[in-house]
Amino acid sequence: QKEVEQNSGPLSVPEGAIASLNCTYSDRGSQSFFWYRQYSGKSPELIMFIYSNGDKEDGRFTAQLNKASQYVSLLIRDSQPSDSATYLCAVILPAGGYNKLIFGAGTRLAVHP
Amino acid sequence: DVKVTQSSRYLVKRTGEKVFLECVQDMDHENMFWYRQDPGLGLRLIYFSYDVKMKEKGDIPEGYSVSREKKERFSLILESASTNQTSMYLCASKPGSYNEQFFGPGTRLTVL
Repeated sequence: QKEVEQNSGPLSVPEGAIASLNCTYSDRGSQSFFWYRQYSGKSPELIMFIYSNGDKEDGRFTAQLNKASQYVSLLIRDSQPSDSATYLCAVILPAGGYNKLIFGAGTRLAVHP
Repeated sequence: DVKVTQSSRYLVKRTGEKVFLECVQDMDHENMFWYRQDPGLGLRLIYFSYDVKMKEKGDIPEGYSVSREKKERFSLILESASTNQTSMYLCASKPGSYNEQFFGPGTRLTVL
C-alpha cells in the first residue's frame, strides 16, 4: 500500500463548478498535510496546508482533514480553466529525528469552458 | 521571494557519463532536498541535507551521491548515468523550523 494515495484522474469539471480532489494516507503518525499545484512542465507550488481536523479556507480553496478516516481533500470553488493542473497531496511523517515529506502521485484536473 | 535555481532545464547525457546537477537557493535555508519525479510515481526523495557537509539518504539513493560544501548550494551527482535515471529532477529547500518546501524549476535529464 502506498503511503499517500490519490486518484490519477483526469478529473474533468465544467468552468464554475466545484472540483473535489481527494487523498488518503496510511500512517496515523502523519502530522501536517499539504496541497501543491503543478502546471505541466513546471515545478510544484504550495497552495494550502492544514494541520488540524476540520476545514481551512483560503479564497476559492478549502482543505478538509479527517484524521480518524485518514483522508484529506481539496475543494476548488468556481473552477477556472487556469486551475487545470496536477494537484499533489503531501504528508509530513516523523522519521528518525527529522520530518519526511511524502508525496502522492497527483490528480490531474481539467476545467473545461 | 524565495528563489531556488537549478543549473539546467534540459540535459542529455550518454550512458556511463558522470552527471552533475546543481541547485542554489538564496534564502539561507538550512534544509535542501533532491527529488526525482516520474509519471505515476510522484516525487521520490533521493537525498537531503540539513546542514553544510551533512547529508542523509532518502528513499531511492542508489546510483546517486550529493555534495553540500556551501549552505546555498546542493549538488546531485550521477556517478555513471544509466537509462533508468532518465527523469525530471527537482531540488527544494526550506528553513529549519518550517515545513513548506520551495521548489526549483526542475531539470529534465535524458540518458541515452
